[in-house]
Amino acid sequence: QIQLVQSGPELKKPGESLKISCKASGYTFTDYAMQWVKQAPGKGLQYMGWINTQTGKPTYADDFKERFVFSLETSASTAYLQINNLKNEDTATYFCANTMGIWGQGVMVTVSS
Amino acid sequence: DIQMTQSPSLLSASVGDRVTLNCKASQNINKNLNWYQQKLGEAPKLLIYYTNNLQTGIPSRFSGSGSGTDYTLTISSLQPEDVATYYCYQYNSGPTFGAGTKLELK
Repeated sequence: QIQLVQSGPELKKPGESLKISCKASGYTFTDYAMQWVKQAPGKGLQYMGWINTQTGKPTYADDFKERFVFSLETSASTAYLQINNLKNEDTATYFCANTMGIWGQGVMVTVSS
Repeated sequence: DIQMTQSPSLLSASVGDRVTLNCKASQNINKNLNWYQQKLGEAPKLLIYYTNNLQTGIPSRFSGSGSGTDYTLTISSLQPEDVATYYCYQYNSGPTFGAGTKLELK
């Protein structure tokens, strides 16, 4: 079946980096763009941007133009979100979602010293 | 940026009620609007795309309508499993989500 499976929870210290994966299966990876969404604890959904899975070109929402990097490994049908120089306010669950409307299960990221 | 205002922020209703959730955009979004349902501890689920199109597998008690700046999600007969937070999402320009409507049982 069509699904997006994300990597496991992360516990990091401020200033560190992390890379979250989102593996697609059940469809042709390059047929649909991939979006990323942030949800801080107890808060709503925040659109982070998207990556064109045919060209690899990322587009970032204004709040995510620094420190955030979208990338692909097309041969593995996998999208990645990298967050550099982590801050406490990056503590959140991060979802990938393709433009077919399928969402990953989310990755809980905790940033704490 | 286009701002999306959802109302009410909290809605209490009884099983069997007809429920209406509202979403207002700060400018015309040309029907480029989706509705998502998020149950506690789960990923969001797409219910309605392009204002009024029911996603595959979603019960027909859910429907969407609207145009211009004003959009509505209707649940024709509320079921216990519909308890969730509902988000509207515009993708007309610089995509944004509304703040959500939390739907609970009375």
